[in-house]
Amino acid sequence: ELKVEQNPLFLSMQEGKNYTIYCNYSTTSDRLYWYRQDPGKSLESLFVLLSNGAVKQEGRLMASLDTKARLSTLHITAAVHDLSATYFCAVDPQPGSSYKLIFGSGTRLLVRP
Amino acid sequence: DADVTQTPRNRITKTGKRIMLECSQTKGHDRMYWYRQDPGLGLRLIYYSFDVKDINKGEISDGYSVSRQAQAKFSLSLESAIPNQTALYFCATSDPRGRGGYTFGSGTRLTVV
Repeated sequence: ELKVEQNPLFLSMQEGKNYTIYCNYSTTSDRLYWYRQDPGKSLESLFVLLSNGAVKQEGRLMASLDTKARLSTLHITAAVHDLSATYFCAVDPQPGSSYKLIFGSGTRLLVRP
Repeated sequence: DADVTQTPRNRITKTGKRIMLECSQTKGHDRMYWYRQDPGLGLRLIYYSFDVKDINKGEISDGYSVSRQAQAKFSLSLESAIPNQTALYFCATSDPRGRGGYTFGSGTRLTVV
């Protein structure tokens, strides 16, 4: 059974600082997705990583995938308050055959002034 | 109009009542999913459907049933609601290759009293 673990589960950081959120998963997969959720809202797709070594960047966020280590990272550069949200990673355990995503528990990010 | 529409947005119901949550999409996707979200647990898959005649149980299907009335419509029913089904429910769609990730609806907040 695929397990997806995120850490930290909660992150409070100051504006302007850098930090990384980690997503580990327990079985082979080369498809990983990052989502953002604002309080009381739906999930918004941030990044789709479809191969080993994939790196995507959007603004102050950068995501990468290492399928051999079964690890994805979401790096935050010079955080701003608008990045405060909960971030989820999700893994497709059977790419090409079933496509049903397994989600991590989420990382709640709070960016303080 | 939203690509994935869920109704109702909020619902309070009593223990033992039958309730249906509805989802419709204009993405033209074949694949549709129902997830529930509980604080600290991420999203867990209830049911998924790859076309009108293909419906599958997810990891937490007990106490739930679904109906795929058309390609664009996928409903979730709680036959006899119980308090631990209080949660935020999301419908999602995806294209067959999964390269774009999921598109989520806005969610239904269900409270069972």
